[in-house]
Amino acid sequence: EAGVVQSPRYKIIEKKQPVAFWCNPISGHNTLYWYRQNLGQGPELLIRYENEEAVDDSQLPKDRFSAERLKGVDSTLKIQPAELGDSAVYLCASSPPRGGAKNIQYFGAGTRLSVL
Amino acid sequence: AQSVSQHNHHVILSEAASLELGCNYSYGGTVNLFWYVQYPGQHLQLLLKYFSGDPLVKGIKGFEAEFIKSKFSFNLRKPSVQWSDTAEYFCAVNDGGSTLGRLYFGRGTQLTVWP
Repeated sequence: EAGVVQSPRYKIIEKKQPVAFWCNPISGHNTLYWYRQNLGQGPELLIRYENEEAVDDSQLPKDRFSAERLKGVDSTLKIQPAELGDSAVYLCASSPPRGGAKNIQYFGAGTRLSVL
Repeated sequence: AQSVSQHNHHVILSEAASLELGCNYSYGGTVNLFWYVQYPGQHLQLLLKYFSGDPLVKGIKGFEAEFIKSKFSFNLRKPSVQWSDTAEYFCAVNDGGSTLGRLYFGRGTQLTVWP
């Protein structure tokens, strides 16, 4: 079974440029999460989707960050414009729909963003 | 909001030494507790979890953790580490409140095991 797939793995951009990250969750997982992990820190949630609905986006900086999950499967996270402080690893995770296993999140390899 | 504290940022051990990594959380209600591991160049993987029941949980690769509710702790242990245990270890908590589904992570502990 394929895990959570993210692309690209690495991205280097200049500040004020836009950037987008893509995530394909594990098949059958209806919950999708985007986390940001700053250097030396643990991941912090940006947004959580249940199917195509964003149910927890309180930590998403909405002035420059946006996300979508139009068909309830794959998702895109966008930053426009990027700032130096956005340099981080952006992680996608997914979890299955039912029971105790719903609380287990499976992570992708992440996209390491460097803003110059 | 939850906060998760991992007290050791970097632990260095020799093979066969015993390991204990501390984790404390702040939420006083019902919680789900996790330890994730990230091996060099790899993604975060679940090491073990606690949802309910026996507070001593066993995970993969000989790791175990003990949930002590009165101390808000979920420490990770392994009696004898191996070189292949070199990795970063993250404690995470998921509470049952309004932020159900959100994992709160500690800042991680880098474990280096010398052969």
